[in-house]
Amino acid sequence: EAGVVQSPRYKIIEKKQPVAFWCNPISGHNTLYWYLQNLGQGPELLIRYENEEAVDDSQLPKDRFSAERLKGVDSTLKIQPAELGDSAVYLCASSNRLSGGAGGNEQFFGPGTRLTVL
Amino acid sequence: GQSLEQPSEVTAVEGAIVQMNCTYQTSGFYGLSWYQQHDGGAPTFLSYNALDGLEETGRFSSFLSRSDSYGYLLLQELQMKDSASYFCAAAYGQNFVFGPGTRLSVLP
Repeated sequence: EAGVVQSPRYKIIEKKQPVAFWCNPISGHNTLYWYLQNLGQGPELLIRYENEEAVDDSQLPKDRFSAERLKGVDSTLKIQPAELGDSAVYLCASSNRLSGGAGGNEQFFGPGTRLTVL
Repeated sequence: GQSLEQPSEVTAVEGAIVQMNCTYQTSGFYGLSWYQQHDGGAPTFLSYNALDGLEETGRFSSFLSRSDSYGYLLLQELQMKDSASYFCAAAYGQNFVFGPGTRLSVLP
């Protein structure tokens, strides 16, 4: 079974430019998460989707960040315009919450996109 | 908001046992997960505890005490490949809040 796929793996842009990240979750996983991870820190939740609905976007800086999950499968996270402080690894994760128990709480992470804003 | 505390670094030798602690805030808490992350890699799931007690999976064990708002990950028979960062993640409602992580270094 294929894992969570993210692209690109690396992205270098100048500040004020737009950037987009793409995530394809594990087939059948209804829950999708976007996290931001700074060096030496734990992942921080940006947004959580249940199918195509964004059920928690309270930590998403909506002035510059946006996300979508059309048809409840793939998802895209966009930053426009990017700032120097946005340099980080952006992680996508998925889970099958309907499975219940410990399995329902297991999140499968993609390899992440390392963003560098110059 | 909810925040978790973990020691920043732990060092141990091959074959030893190491315990990595995690404290969390109680309000709205459902359970505690543990993830391993090698440098440049993705976090990978290790365990989830919803009830008090010890859960064992091979060389890894995870413990939870809800009354103390505390949990730990225990690694036995340490191997060099166990050198990584270990994150606890507390479930609050439908979301997980990750701790800052403990960086484990295993020495030969």
